[in-house]
Amino acid sequence: SAVISQKPSRDICQRGTSLTIQCQVDSQVTMMFWYRQQPGQSLTLIATANQGSEATYESGFVIDKFPISRPNLTFSTLTVSNMSPEDSSIYLCSVMGGGGNTEAFFGQGTRLTVV
Amino acid sequence: SQQGEEDPQALSIQEGENATMNCSYKTSINNLQWYRQNSGRGLVHLILIRSNEREKHSGRLRVTLDTSKKSSSLLITASRAADTASYFCATDVGNKLVFGAGTILRVKS
Repeated sequence: SAVISQKPSRDICQRGTSLTIQCQVDSQVTMMFWYRQQPGQSLTLIATANQGSEATYESGFVIDKFPISRPNLTFSTLTVSNMSPEDSSIYLCSVMGGGGNTEAFFGQGTRLTVV
Repeated sequence: SQQGEEDPQALSIQEGENATMNCSYKTSINNLQWYRQNSGRGLVHLILIRSNEREKHSGRLRVTLDTSKKSSSLLITASRAADTASYFCATDVGNKLVFGAGTILRVKS
């Protein structure tokens, strides 16, 4: 299993500003995943963060809007840039179990409200 | 894009009753998983069923998988108020999980 610490847990931000979300895992993992969950919706994968290489973004998400850092095997950040009210969502980081185990572990999420 | 559809979208039952949620998916899978989310927090893994399994049990949970119909169901027996949450199925597609739309379950005491 993996324990993930994600912060902040919530924030209210002004439009046009940026917020950086941090995710710390208690073990080394190759890939970390960032999801967005819009109000009342399911999870949508934003990108996969690999240590030592650029993140891989899903269709509809771009690096300029959601830059990701992955400085080591236990830490990653996601920045939501130039925010608008449409960015109000829960953002979640996740890792998968090792050894071919695809069970996922999640942080507690960051509830972002853009005003 | 989401892999699957879930139904019902919302389910309200009395404590002690059983709750059944269904999930359909589109592509071939290695496994299918079910997760629970309480009040917009992080998801918690409930159970995984492999593509060569048809049924799996874990405590009060029973999961079935029909690969010919590309569908799965999650049954929660003897529900409790603490089971109130959103439930999502997820499929492993190319080393990433793709989540269904989810079912909101409310268990009334």
